[in-house]
Amino acid sequence: SQQGEEDPQALSIQEGENATMNCSYKTSINNLQWYRQNSGRGLVHLILIRSNEREKHSGRLRVTLDTSKKSSSLLITASRAADTASYFCARDDKIIFGKGTRLHILP
Amino acid sequence: NAGVMQNPRHLVRRRGQEARLRCSPMKGHSHVYWYRQLPEEGLKFMVYLQKENIIDESGMPKERFSAEFPKEGPSILRIQQVVRGDSAAYFCASSRPLEIGTGELFFGEGSRLTVL
Repeated sequence: SQQGEEDPQALSIQEGENATMNCSYKTSINNLQWYRQNSGRGLVHLILIRSNEREKHSGRLRVTLDTSKKSSSLLITASRAADTASYFCARDDKIIFGKGTRLHILP
Repeated sequence: NAGVMQNPRHLVRRRGQEARLRCSPMKGHSHVYWYRQLPEEGLKFMVYLQKENIIDESGMPKERFSAEFPKEGPSILRIQQVVRGDSAAYFCASSRPLEIGTGELFFGEGSRLTVL
């Protein structure tokens, strides 16, 4: 499979805590992207990291990329109820998505 | 600047009928992607099109499914002789050409097909 695979499949944390989710892939990439999907909605692009980058920040989001391990992580700091959603990673060429991590922020 | 527009948002069909789902990409976008999503599942890639060309249809079922992106008008995903297993949300996304853009996809809100 050429899909990105996210783990964990589901994650529940308390509001204010940090949430970390991971993505692994099998073949070389030019870039890797993270998307969020609120229930019943389309996906929204969060952040893109290129293969020559190791870390990237955007607001409360931090993405790392380890091309030697073919893995990426998405960290959401100081989580909020509005962060409750599914999160997907996607490779650049076919833009293939994994099954996602369902994040639930508990009040 | 309107986003990606999909219609209909909801479609109900009986087994054996045809379903046509439309997608108008964002202005300036020449690439369209179609995905299928079952409840609690990820997005499954179906097809990638440019204007008048199918670039990659490796995710399309071999029978009953077809897609087009004509020179004028929206992209259309067509499902003939629908079966209950076709019930799903179908998402369209568009992008600028990857070689000049970031490859970021912009998604529509999806079309939810229910087959009775």
